[in-house]
This record gives sequence, structure tokens and C-alpha cells, in this order.
Amino acid sequence: DVKVTQSSRYLVKRTGEKVFLECVQDMDHENMFWYRQDPGLGLRLIYFSYDVKMKEKGDIPEGYSVSREKKERFSLILESASTNQTSMYLCASSLGQYSPLHFGNGTRLTVT
Amino acid sequence: GENVEQHPSTLSVQEGDSAVIKCTYSDSASNYFPWYKQELGKGPQLIIDIRSNVGEKKDQRIAVTLNKTAKHFSLHITETQPEDSAVYFCAATTNAGGTSYGKLTFGQGTILTVHP
Repeated sequence: DVKVTQSSRYLVKRTGEKVFLECVQDMDHENMFWYRQDPGLGLRLIYFSYDVKMKEKGDIPEGYSVSREKKERFSLILESASTNQTSMYLCASSLGQYSPLHFGNGTRLTVT
Repeated sequence: GENVEQHPSTLSVQEGDSAVIKCTYSDSASNYFPWYKQELGKGPQLIIDIRSNVGEKKDQRIAVTLNKTAKHFSLHITETQPEDSAVYFCAATTNAGGTSYGKLTFGQGTILTVHP
């Protein structure tokens, strides 16, 4: 069974801090994604990667960057955290275009 | 880009009743429509999907219908049970320039509550 593991369940950071959210998948999937989930807005795509060292902007990339140095690991970076980045962050991986997204259980980030 | 609208935002039914969630999409090139269920404290999980060359698909108590002309698709759950209570998301994707990855656009989500 595919497992997508997000390193933290809950995080509390201060405004201006640099924040790293880590995600690891164990199924050798090519594609990895970072979504942000907010009530009433659904899941919005921040960044995705279809190969090692490759990245593409999603719908809301502002204020975020990503890193994919190894196939199994995809990191989301908040260069300078702001209160409007308080949210649930979901990582996902998939094998291909019509393959299911496999999500982690999410990281709830609070920026104070 | 693609825009997906989902209704209703909340849905409350009695156990045994049917539940219907509807979504509309804007990009006529969208060709893949999955539905995800998110239980409390977990990430979303795929429950059923449909491609644009099919009008309806069933899997036990759940079914999805697609109307390409009207650009809308729906999730139908029959004989609902308390364990069906969750947040449901629809999504749509296009073949992004023939690449091997698809960029899903999700709806806003529906909180389904099934009362025993």
C-alpha cells in the first residue's frame, strides 16, 4: 500500500520564520504535489514536481518554494512565514496522469 | 485555467437515504473527473473516477455521472450509512500538453453528515 508521510502533524511558527514541510513517499511515484486546504476553498495546488529537480508552479505559488533532490522526497518551503499562510498543507504523489493521488495526513501550520 | 464549482457545501441526510453532490467545470478540454473522500484527520482518498468518454460509472453504492455538454458531473451515494460521513471533493483535470502528469483542480468540498 502506498504511503505518503508528512514529517509533522502540527507546526506553530512565528511570522518571518523560514519553514520547511517535508514529505516522503515509498512507491517510486514520478509525480508529487503540495496542496493547501482551507475551509470553503477546497484544495488548491501550490507546486508540483514530475521528476527529480523539476518543479512547476500551481495555482497559488506566491510565498512558497519547493525542493525535490530525491525522487521520494518533496519539500515545501515558506521563505518568510506570514499569518495568511496558516492552513492545512497536504502532500500527494501519483504514478501518472490518470492515476489516483495518494495523500499524506496533512500538516496543520499555524503562523503567529 | 480550470474552475470547478461544487454544491452543496453541506449535506445532511438520514441513514438509508440517497445523497447527491454536484460539480460544474469550465474547461471543455477536461477529460478526467475523480471524487475524493476525506475522513476526519486524514488525507483525501480516491473513491471513484470517470473519464470523458464514459457517461456513468458505478461501484456498489456509489456512482458518478458525467454530462460533457453541460460540463457537469455528480456523485450519487445510495443507502447511506453513518460511515459515509466525511468531506467529499470533486476534481477535474486536462491532459497538460500531452505530458504524463495531470494537474487536478478541486471543488470546494461538501461536508456530508449521515444521521443514524
